[in-house]
Amino acid sequence: DSGVTQTPKHLITATGQRVTLRCSPRSGDLSVYWYQQSLDQGLQFLIQYYNGEERAKGNILERFSAQQFPDLHSELNLSSLELGDSALYFCASSVAPAGGFTDTQYFGPGTRLTVL
Amino acid sequence: GENVEQHPSTLSVQEGDSAVIKCTYSDSASNYFPWYKQELGKGPQLIIDIRSNVGEKKDQRIAVTLNKTAKHFSLHITETQPEDSAVYFCAASSLSGGYNKLIFGAGTRLAVHP
Repeated sequence: DSGVTQTPKHLITATGQRVTLRCSPRSGDLSVYWYQQSLDQGLQFLIQYYNGEERAKGNILERFSAQQFPDLHSELNLSSLELGDSALYFCASSVAPAGGFTDTQYFGPGTRLTVL
Repeated sequence: GENVEQHPSTLSVQEGDSAVIKCTYSDSASNYFPWYKQELGKGPQLIIDIRSNVGEKKDQRIAVTLNKTAKHFSLHITETQPEDSAVYFCAASSLSGGYNKLIFGAGTRLAVHP
C-alpha cells in the first residue's frame, strides 16, 4: 500500500458526460501528479500540482482540468467525455515540487474509467 | 521531444533464470531513473531507482545499471520467481519549464513460468 488513495475505483459513464476523480496524497506529500494509462500503453503524464499550485503540464486535453485543495487532495475533472477517454487514471504523490531534484513518486491504485 | 524507449515489450523466462529489461532515454539532462512494477489491477509500485551520480544499485534480487554516456539503463532480476510476473516500466526525469517530470517507457510484460 503506497499511502495514496483514489476514488472511485471504477466509473462507467456515457459520452458527453462529466466526471470527477479524486486523489488523496500520502501524508506529508505536497505534490500530486495525474497520469493516464490507456489499454496496453504506458503512463502518460497529464498534470502536476504542488501545494495548491499548478507546476507542470503534460499531454492534458483542454476538456480535462485539475485542482489541488488546501487539504492537499486533488481532483481531476474530465468533461465532454469521448470513447477514447476510457482508460486507467492514476494519481501519484511526492514530497517536493520536483525542481532540479526529482523525488520519488508513489502511485495510487487508480480509477478505471469506461465511457460507453 | 523527450522520449524513453523500452525493450523488450514481452519477456518470458523460466523460474530461476535471470531477466533483463533495457531502456534508452533521449534527454541528456535526465538525472533520475526509477523502475516500477505493475501487477494486474493495481497501480505502479516503485521497486528500485537510481540517480545519475551512481552507476549501479542493487537490492536483493534486483539491480539497476546506468550508462550516462550511452544514455541507457537496465533492470536485472536474478533468480526469478512466479510472483515477479508483472508489467515493468522504466522512467527518466526530464526538465521542462523549470520542473522535472517523469517520462515512462512503454512497459515490458514479464512472465515467469514455474
